[in-house]
Amino acid sequence: DQQVKQNSPSLSVQEGRISILNCDYTNSMFDYFLWYKKYPAEGPTFLISISSIKDKNEDGRFTVFLNKSAKHLSLHIVPSQPGDSAVYFCAADADSWGKLQFGAGTQVVVTP
Amino acid sequence: DVKVTQSSRYLVKRTGEKVFLECVQDMDHENMFWYRQDPGLGLRLIYFSYDVKMKEKGDIPEGYSVSREKKERFSLILESASTNQTSMYLCASTPARRTGELFFGEGSRLTVL
Repeated sequence: DQQVKQNSPSLSVQEGRISILNCDYTNSMFDYFLWYKKYPAEGPTFLISISSIKDKNEDGRFTVFLNKSAKHLSLHIVPSQPGDSAVYFCAADADSWGKLQFGAGTQVVVTP
Repeated sequence: DVKVTQSSRYLVKRTGEKVFLECVQDMDHENMFWYRQDPGLGLRLIYFSYDVKMKEKGDIPEGYSVSREKKERFSLILESASTNQTSMYLCASTPARRTGELFFGEGSRLTVL
């Protein structure tokens, strides 16, 4: 049973607009959350993370929001660029060994 | 930059064959991982290792084994490949200190016929 869920398999957004990717989790022991980006034929690369003691973390165009009570996090990309077209994975960690639980991924397509 | 190198990008094997997937990292990381990626399922942890000769099962270890004889190298072994092991296999590493950030290789696409 997946503990991390990304319910939107795909998202299409116009260049310059905001992309919002959502992620839900069920395990209350998760205390660190990450987003990874993956291009075809490449391994995932780390994008941004957030500790459970925070509710927001920002890095340039990328912001992650965490709502612990709802067990929900989201990734905002503003403004979206064509190079952002990729699959985005949400991941969560509970025990500090790096054994991440991943969601199924959301394919983002940014159109000109 | 951390480099995680997977020996084979694409492999085609027959059912019942023994398959070795090799992974080498060059940043002296203690922890290494094998995941598989499947559409609609995301990445699922097969095995991980936190030290030489140490290994622990992940979420889906059935049909797989691993070997870590040297710190930089972590091998995934399919003793008798089956068609349901057709997948993208991803190796990753991370330092022992807590960061949560994994460094991934480019992946090995395995097809079992």
